[in-house]
Amino acid sequence: DTAVSQTPKYLVTQMGNDKSIKCEQNLGHDTMYWYKQDSKKFLKIMFSYNNKELIINETVPNRFSPKSPDKAHLNLHINSLELGDSAVYFCASSRTGNSEQYFGPGTRLTVT
Amino acid sequence: GNSVTQMEGPVTLSEEAFLTINCTYTATGYPSLFWYVQYPGEGLQLLLKATKADDKGSNKGFEATYRKETTSFHLEKGSVQVSDSAVYFCALSEGGGGNQFYFGTGTSLTVIP
Repeated sequence: DTAVSQTPKYLVTQMGNDKSIKCEQNLGHDTMYWYKQDSKKFLKIMFSYNNKELIINETVPNRFSPKSPDKAHLNLHINSLELGDSAVYFCASSRTGNSEQYFGPGTRLTVT
Repeated sequence: GNSVTQMEGPVTLSEEAFLTINCTYTATGYPSLFWYVQYPGEGLQLLLKATKADDKGSNKGFEATYRKETTSFHLEKGSVQVSDSAVYFCALSEGGGGNQFYFGTGTSLTVIP
C-alpha cells in the first residue's frame, strides 16, 4: 500500500553510463515531481508534470529527461552520467488544488 | 520571487529540551506553509502545515503559526525526544498549476539522551 514508490533504492554506476529511475504513485494524484538532494541535504526541484504534461523544468542538464507514460508514473532517465550527478533523487506527487506533496523514499545514485 | 530562509544547523539538544527552528519566507502571493521532516535514510514526510495567516499547524507535539506580519513560520516543540532526531525542512507553495514548492536548506536536529 505504498503511496509513492521508487526503484531502485540504490544505484551505483560508472561515469558515462545511462540509467533510469522509476516512480509510481497510487494516490490518484495528477502532478508528479523530481527533486535532487545533495550531500548537504539541499533539495532542488528538477521537473514537474501535471496530467502527463511538463510544467516545471528547472535548469538541469539536458542529459536528464523525464518521461510520464501516464498520470501515475514519472520516470527519470539520465544519459552520460557524471560524478556530480551523485545524489539522492526523490519523486513526489500532489493533487491539483491541494498543495501538499507526498514523497517517495528516494534513490541514492552513486557515480564512480 | 519566492524563497524560504531557514535557521542554520546542526542543532543538538538534550532530551526534554525546548526546540525552536526559525523559518522566514518571501512570497509574491498568499502561500501555504509547511514543515517536512526527513528521518535518516528516508524520504520527506509532512509534519504540519498552515494555509492562511494566523493558522496554527500542529502534529506529534510540534507546532508552527503562520505569521504574515513577520513572514515567519517557526517550528516549536516543548520537549524533544531522541526519536525527533531528523532533518527539518520549511517550505512554501503558492499552489496553482505546477504547484512548485520552495524549500529551505534544512536543519539537522540531534537529540541526545
